[in-house]
Amino acid sequence: DTEVTQTPKHLVMGMTNKKSLKCEQHMGHRAMYWYKQKAKKPPELMFVYSYEKLSINESVPSRFSPECPNSSLLNLHLHALQPEDSALYLCASSPRTGFSYEQYFGPGTRLTVT
Amino acid sequence: DAKTTQPNSMESNEEEPVHLPCNHSTISGTDYIHWYRQLPSQGPEYVIHGLTSNVNNRMASLAIAEDRKSSTLILHRATLRDAAVYYCIRIQGAQKLVFGQGTRLTINP
Repeated sequence: DTEVTQTPKHLVMGMTNKKSLKCEQHMGHRAMYWYKQKAKKPPELMFVYSYEKLSINESVPSRFSPECPNSSLLNLHLHALQPEDSALYLCASSPRTGFSYEQYFGPGTRLTVT
Repeated sequence: DAKTTQPNSMESNEEEPVHLPCNHSTISGTDYIHWYRQLPSQGPEYVIHGLTSNVNNRMASLAIAEDRKSSTLILHRATLRDAAVYYCIRIQGAQKLVFGQGTRLTINP
């Protein structure tokens, strides 16, 4: 199984809502990532988890809160988002962090903030 | 800041080879070059990576210049399914994929 799954596929939320995005992989990978992608732009790294510990936070606003409950699961908790946070949120995993490992991406969650 | 430079778009014909260039003139000795592609409505997909030598896999070949300031992704025989945005990526540190702006490849039947 070389798949990264993400749920939900689409999410519409108001600025006062709290919601969560979920990402799962069963490849035994120990590094997991969240990226944000705006339309017609490349993905931008948000967070990196290595062995379930947060190793990189790219100065992401606190209204985005990542969580890695176990080695297969990665969540992104959303609270008090702004309309400009509307984007495609991509999750990825790799065997470990490092120069030579390929990352496997999920299909993304398309988030709309109203 | 590490940057890669790619043409915004390229066009080719089906069953012909495609050469996608990338400039990474400030690359340092330990930086790997990765290529990913993104088909419409999908997440990026790994294509190939290399450090100094040319690399081949089932999807493509990667030719890295001797001074490592540029590289070329080669699709040997393009199909319609190869139409995508191709990203040349220089790895920063041991963890970060920093995507360039990408080349949108169109394949004509």
